[in-house]
Amino acid sequence: GDSVTQMEGPVTLSEEAFLTINCTYTATGYPSLFWYVQYPGEGLQLLLKATKADDKGSNKGFEATYRKETTSFHLEKGSVQVSDSAVYFCALSASSNTGKLIFGQGTTLQVKP
Amino acid sequence: DAGITQSPRHKVTETGTPVTLRCHQTENHRYMYWYRQDPGHGLRLIHYSYGVKDTDKGEVSDGYSVSRSKTEDFLLTLESATSSQTSVYFCAISGRGSAGELFFGEGSRLTVL
Repeated sequence: GDSVTQMEGPVTLSEEAFLTINCTYTATGYPSLFWYVQYPGEGLQLLLKATKADDKGSNKGFEATYRKETTSFHLEKGSVQVSDSAVYFCALSASSNTGKLIFGQGTTLQVKP
Repeated sequence: DAGITQSPRHKVTETGTPVTLRCHQTENHRYMYWYRQDPGHGLRLIHYSYGVKDTDKGEVSDGYSVSRSKTEDFLLTLESATSSQTSVYFCAISGRGSAGELFFGEGSRLTVL
């Protein structure tokens, strides 16, 4: 079945460091791919998405490119801020047309001043 | 912000008691979902609904039932709560079945003693 695998966390970085969070997926067909972010005490919110191969999603300085050949959707940011500290989830849309998302286990990012 | 309200936000109960969590939306979205969040597992789908009285199981549906008698309300019931159901429960909604963004509530933290 469809699945998503994220790199283990937590990830601890200094402010202005470069961020990469790896995400790979297994899926039938051509799923859409998502990154969601969860700030402490809140629900998840969409950070960015890509709906087809080679698409690049971007938002708030974060980017991720849909790589079909490597089945990956790695999240990157050139210069992180303390306010980026959160849990990041990679997800894919399930093969059925119901909007269901399958999530990775989440990666905690802590950015220190 | 999407109009999603979960209640209760926090609940402590004892093993064997019934529990109902409520999700209320004001967006008139067709699709509603219940996920549970546990460390190391990310979010896992419990049940979802694609219309009034139309529901289906997710990957971790055992021990849970749902009902949707109105577009705006989606209820999750634990008939006889167990300690393994201690978790944070998130409701989500979507207006589209495919590649659409999910909007999440703030979560309901359930502790089963």
